[in-house]
Amino acid sequence: NAGVTQTPKFQVLKTGQSMTLQCAQDMNHNSMYWYRQDPGMGLRLIYYSASEGTTDKGEVPNGYNVSRLNKREFSLRLESAAPSQTSVYFCASSGTVSTDTQYFGPGTRLTVL
Amino acid sequence: GDSVTQMEGPVTLSEEAFLTINCTYTATGYPSLFWYVQYPGEGLQLLLKATKADDKGSNKGFEATYRKETTSFHLEKGSVQVSDSAVYFCALIPKGGNQFYFGTGTSLTVIP
Repeated sequence: NAGVTQTPKFQVLKTGQSMTLQCAQDMNHNSMYWYRQDPGMGLRLIYYSASEGTTDKGEVPNGYNVSRLNKREFSLRLESAAPSQTSVYFCASSGTVSTDTQYFGPGTRLTVL
Repeated sequence: GDSVTQMEGPVTLSEEAFLTINCTYTATGYPSLFWYVQYPGEGLQLLLKATKADDKGSNKGFEATYRKETTSFHLEKGSVQVSDSAVYFCALIPKGGNQFYFGTGTSLTVIP
């Protein structure tokens, strides 16, 4: 049982390049999330998908797009990377009920030069 | 709006010391409350949770009690170990909501 997986683990981009972060979960969860973690800022929600076919903006959506490809997969795309997007990105998933635990992937460390 | 405030770190303790990390929240209704732990280089893992007022969550010697009257969910452990060194996050999700709200994290270092 892999839980939540993310690829890649590390990535270095140049300003203006694009890339997609992949996330998959095998727990049959309805809800999936993308966060970024920056020093002193805690976790900030970028986008989430409450169920297959829906996506909503979180606290810091600018510069990002998402796709809920199916129930298992939720990708995050940076169309034109900027140094301000240097961060650690975490994907998470949870069930539908608000008392459900959120499960996190191992993270992607992204550096934009 | 909904939010979580937790004590600033970093916190440094000697092994076997008592630990308290304060967490207070703002939310309408009765949210579910969580403590997550992040070890170096890893993602967050659930440590404990409480889903209604006066519930006590506990795991691995850590405890936290959901206090509605003080809107708090303070994390405690009676005797910390070096292996408890990590960053601890308090979080909530509103009842019926979809979004989790996290505190900024408290870094704990336990020295032998």
